[in-house]
Amino acid sequence: AQTVTQSQPEMSVQEAETVTLSCTYDTSESDYYLFWYKQPPSRQMILVIRQEAYKQQNATENRFSVNFQKAAKSFSLKISDSQLGDAAMYFCAYRSNYGGSQGNLIFGKGTKLSVKP
Amino acid sequence: DAGITQSPRYKITETGRQVTLMCHQTWSHSYMFWYRQDLGHGLRLIYYSAAADITDKGEVPDGYVVSRSKTENFPLTLESATRSQTSVYFCASSLRDSQETQYFGPGTRLLVL
Repeated sequence: AQTVTQSQPEMSVQEAETVTLSCTYDTSESDYYLFWYKQPPSRQMILVIRQEAYKQQNATENRFSVNFQKAAKSFSLKISDSQLGDAAMYFCAYRSNYGGSQGNLIFGKGTKLSVKP
Repeated sequence: DAGITQSPRYKITETGRQVTLMCHQTWSHSYMFWYRQDLGHGLRLIYYSAAADITDKGEVPDGYVVSRSKTENFPLTLESATRSQTSVYFCASSLRDSQETQYFGPGTRLLVL
């Protein structure tokens, strides 16, 4: 079974600085997707960025980028020029493209990010 | 653009009662999902549906029942609520198949006394 691990329960960053959130996963599959979701205090789950395993190029969305290391099974999220609105829980998630549970997301336990003004 | 909605947003019930949480999406997405979120566990999949009348179990299905008679609705029923089912429940949907991104509803906070 696949697992997703976020080893940092809490992180803090100064406004305008850069922060990196860690995520590792365990799988024997080669075809899958990885996601970062943001959950602000409103509890809404918001997609931040997505990475397809067969693409070597790291995904980027404005101030958000990932460092995808397939061999190391690592998928970290870098937030540049941090803003107060970035404060939230961040969840890393894995989705297989195989088997009867296609489409099901497996989540890590989350990292709570605080942004200091 | 209503997207995906859940009702009620908050619910308090008692042990043993039946509770139904509603999920409705306006995008005509084929896939729909139910997750629960608990402290220390992140989100865990309860049930999912690939299309109307097609449902399957996820990681933690015990104590829950789902149905999907219409593409846009995916209700989750707790047949006899227990305190361990106190949680925040999220519904999600994705467009055509498993390769599409999942979009989440606002969540339902359920308290079982």
